[in-house]
Amino acid sequence: SQTIHQWPATLVQPVGSPLSLECTVEGTSNPNLYWYRQAAGRGLQLLFYSVGIGQISSEVPQNLSASRPQDRQFILSSKKLLLSDSGFYLCAWSWGASDTGELFFGEGSRLTVL
Amino acid sequence: AQTVTQSQPEMSVQEAETVTLSCTYDTSESDYYLFWYKQPPSRQMILVIRQEAYKQQNATENRFSVNFQKAAKSFSLKISDSQLGDAAMYFCAYRSTDSWGKLQFGAGTQVVVTP
Repeated sequence: SQTIHQWPATLVQPVGSPLSLECTVEGTSNPNLYWYRQAAGRGLQLLFYSVGIGQISSEVPQNLSASRPQDRQFILSSKKLLLSDSGFYLCAWSWGASDTGELFFGEGSRLTVL
Repeated sequence: AQTVTQSQPEMSVQEAETVTLSCTYDTSESDYYLFWYKQPPSRQMILVIRQEAYKQQNATENRFSVNFQKAAKSFSLKISDSQLGDAAMYFCAYRSTDSWGKLQFGAGTQVVVTP
């Protein structure tokens, strides 16, 4: 069966510090990978998606970047965090070649920037 | 661009009763996917049910069922025999078939279950 893990679960960082959130998927190959952000009391906003190693698409201009160094690894980064980067970040995957439509989400990472 | 609207910020239901959550969407496409996700206090998003637009039959998963009205662009979720564990935020989501899995989410409906 397939599993997805992301870490850390909780992170408190000062403004201006770097960020690295990591996500890995097991049990499948060549998945599509996604990073979403959920601000307090709001829905989910797609930040990045990737359909293959080294292929990253950005949905909104922001202070964040994403990388996919390996097939099942997706990393969300920032060189200097802003207060507005606070939120709940969710990694997700979907089937690549045999796409059935749905996304499967990780446990989420709560980021607080002070 | 597609938009998804959930007009009910919160719905309350008693245990064992039925609650219906509404969702409407805007699209010009003929084929797409619709989903309901549940987000409990743990915050992990859990898929509740999916519907493919080309299928006429409404999807059902145990106590969860949908009423898919394609012409009206409506996709409501019915939770029957509500349980305390159903308390969560429920999100309606849309995905076109060629969007590389990009889901467009509604704002969510908080379901409160009372004993």
